[in-house]
Amino acid sequence: RKEVEQDPGPFNVPEGATVAFNCTYSNSASQSFFWYRQDCRKEPKLLMSVYSSGNEDGRFTAQLNRASQYISLLIRDSKLSDSATYLCVVNPLYNFNKFYFGSGTKLNVKP
Amino acid sequence: DAGVIQSPRHEVTEMGQEVTLRCKPISGHDYLFWYRQTMMRGLELLIYFNNNVPIDDSGMPEDRFSAKMPNASFSTLKIQPSEPRDSAVYFCASSHQPSQNSPLHFGNGTRLTVT
Repeated sequence: RKEVEQDPGPFNVPEGATVAFNCTYSNSASQSFFWYRQDCRKEPKLLMSVYSSGNEDGRFTAQLNRASQYISLLIRDSKLSDSATYLCVVNPLYNFNKFYFGSGTKLNVKP
Repeated sequence: DAGVIQSPRHEVTEMGQEVTLRCKPISGHDYLFWYRQTMMRGLELLIYFNNNVPIDDSGMPEDRFSAKMPNASFSTLKIQPSEPRDSAVYFCASSHQPSQNSPLHFGNGTRLTVT
């Protein structure tokens, strides 16, 4: 079983829409969680860390559900520039120097 | 800060040739990671270093792959001999102390094509 699983999408949404992605992780002892954004033919870039109490950064909200072992990313008022692949990343407690990446969810925001 | 610097950006080589990829981490970061990304397998961790010492190389696919970090500001990933299935984007990333407050920072990557 993969450490981190994501729906590959694509999610095709109109500008201004609200869209949410989920990501499940297999190891209940996982410690740290992140969302990264990757544009086509570019490197992954940190979008935001995910904290236990949930956190928000502008139009982006991240949530952690430890009981069900998933994290989510909510994007409000989608912009064309939000089109990218969103990678879920988990850092396990048993090896806190390792980061496990999901395969990514592709988002297409259309005019 | 210049960020993580990788070279070359693109490499095209013939099967059987030696390939060397280079990485300069962010100054002050004491962890360095090499990842490989393909459409089929996504991002895979190959090896990581802490204070220039290889800690976990369990992701290195075969003996044809080797990595070194001779000092805090330079690392290489070598493939010898290269094969077409090695074609991928290779990313180097660095971190001060992996945690929520110090996540990974990636270089631009090296796009390797082996014909």
